[in-house]
Amino acid sequence: DAGVTQSPTHLIKTRGQHVTLRCSPISGHKSVSWYQQVLGQGPQFIFQYYEKEERGRGNFPDRFSARQFPNYSSELNVNALLLGDSALYLCASSSHLLETQYFGPGTRLLVL
Amino acid sequence: KNEVEQSPQNLTAQEGEFITINCSYSVGISALHWLQQHPGGGIVSLFMLSSGKKKHGRLIATINIQEKHSSLHITASHPRDSAVYICAVRKSDGGSQGNLIFGKGTKLSVKP
Repeated sequence: DAGVTQSPTHLIKTRGQHVTLRCSPISGHKSVSWYQQVLGQGPQFIFQYYEKEERGRGNFPDRFSARQFPNYSSELNVNALLLGDSALYLCASSSHLLETQYFGPGTRLLVL
Repeated sequence: KNEVEQSPQNLTAQEGEFITINCSYSVGISALHWLQQHPGGGIVSLFMLSSGKKKHGRLIATINIQEKHSSLHITASHPRDSAVYICAVRKSDGGSQGNLIFGKGTKLSVKP
C-alpha cells in the first residue's frame, strides 16, 4: 500500500510568488495535517482537515491557506512568499482526528 | 519556554550502547508520540502512548503522566539508528483536535 505522498519534492520560488503544495493521504484516511519544519527546529502545526472541513489552525498568517478535496487529498497554498517561508513542509494523514499520524516525505521549499 | 523540551539535543554513542532520550512537557496531554526523522526529512512514527510502556524490537518508550515526562530507550544501538528523534504531544484541551506540538528533536549519531 502506498504511504502518504507529497508533490513536488523540491521547489524554488522567489519572494512575492505563490506556491501550492499537494498531499495524498493513505487510502482510507480522512484527516490530513500540514506542518512546517524550519531547519534545525521541530515541525510546527499549520492546519488540520477532517472530512473536508478545517478542524484546526496553527499560529500562521493568512497568507497560508489549505483545503481538502472529496478524495481526501489536500493542498497547502502560500501567498506572497517571504524568505522565512523556506522550510520543509510535511503532510500527515490519519484515519480519524485523534489517531496516529503517518507522515509524507515532505516538500522542501526554498524562497530566494 | 517551549511546551515540549527534549534532552539531549545531540547524542553520540558507540555501537552497542544503551541510549536514552528524554522528553518533558508542560501541558496536559492526551497522547505522546515518538518519531524518527532521517536526513532528507521523512518522518516515521515509532510510538504513540498515553500511559505506561511500549516496546517494539530494540526500542522502548515509557511515559510518566504525573511527572509529565517520557523516555525513549534504544538497546544495542546500531549505526542505522542514527537519526533525529522527535517527541510530540497532543494537548488534551479539546480545542487542538489532533494537531501535535513537537520538541526540537535529539540528533543521534551511532558510531561503528
